[in-house]
Amino acid sequence: GESVGLHLPTLSVQEGDNSIINCAYSNSASDYFIWYKQESGKGPQFIIDIRSNMDKRQGQRVTVLLNKTVKHLSLQIAATQPGDSAVYFCAENGASNTGKLIFGQGTTLQVKP
Amino acid sequence: NAGVTQTPKFRVLKTGQSMTLLCAQDMNHEYMYWYRQDPGMGLRLIHYSVGEGTTAKGEVPDGYNVSRLKKQNFLLGLESAAPSQTSVYFCASSSVQIYEQYFGPGTRLTVT
Repeated sequence: GESVGLHLPTLSVQEGDNSIINCAYSNSASDYFIWYKQESGKGPQFIIDIRSNMDKRQGQRVTVLLNKTVKHLSLQIAATQPGDSAVYFCAENGASNTGKLIFGQGTTLQVKP
Repeated sequence: NAGVTQTPKFRVLKTGQSMTLLCAQDMNHEYMYWYRQDPGMGLRLIHYSVGEGTTAKGEVPDGYNVSRLKKQNFLLGLESAAPSQTSVYFCASSSVQIYEQYFGPGTRLTVT
């Protein structure tokens, strides 16, 4: 079946350092990818997305990189802050035309002061 | 503009009891979804709807039913709750044009 996985369940970084969260996807038909941030006790919140016709997209302090050759997605957070501590999920749209997303299991980002 | 809201926020049920979770969105989105989230397992799709009056099964539909009588509301029902349904339930919605899903704050359900 389809799956979206994350390489590391927990990532611990020092405040001020850059963070890189990785994600592998399996469905080559996916043409849309999205990163969500979930803080404790809250619902997932949109961070950034990217379509398959791009290999890089930048937001405020965040960059998403897409490597379609190896089916790999990464989220880079610059100058990580304590408020970045959360669980990060990647998701792909698979072959769906009904808006469905397939979510990975999530990576916990811990920011050390 | 409240976005996606869910009621209730918390609920404790005994095995065999029934309940309905309500999701409402005010963004005029066509698509709506119900997920459950268990520790270490990410989000799993229970049921979804592509429009008023339509529903479809997701990845883990057994033990749940849904209804979408109005475009802005999506109800999730548990007819006979089981301890395995202890979880956090999230509702989400999205428009036809984009894949970004907007999530509600979640409902924490415990079945004893």
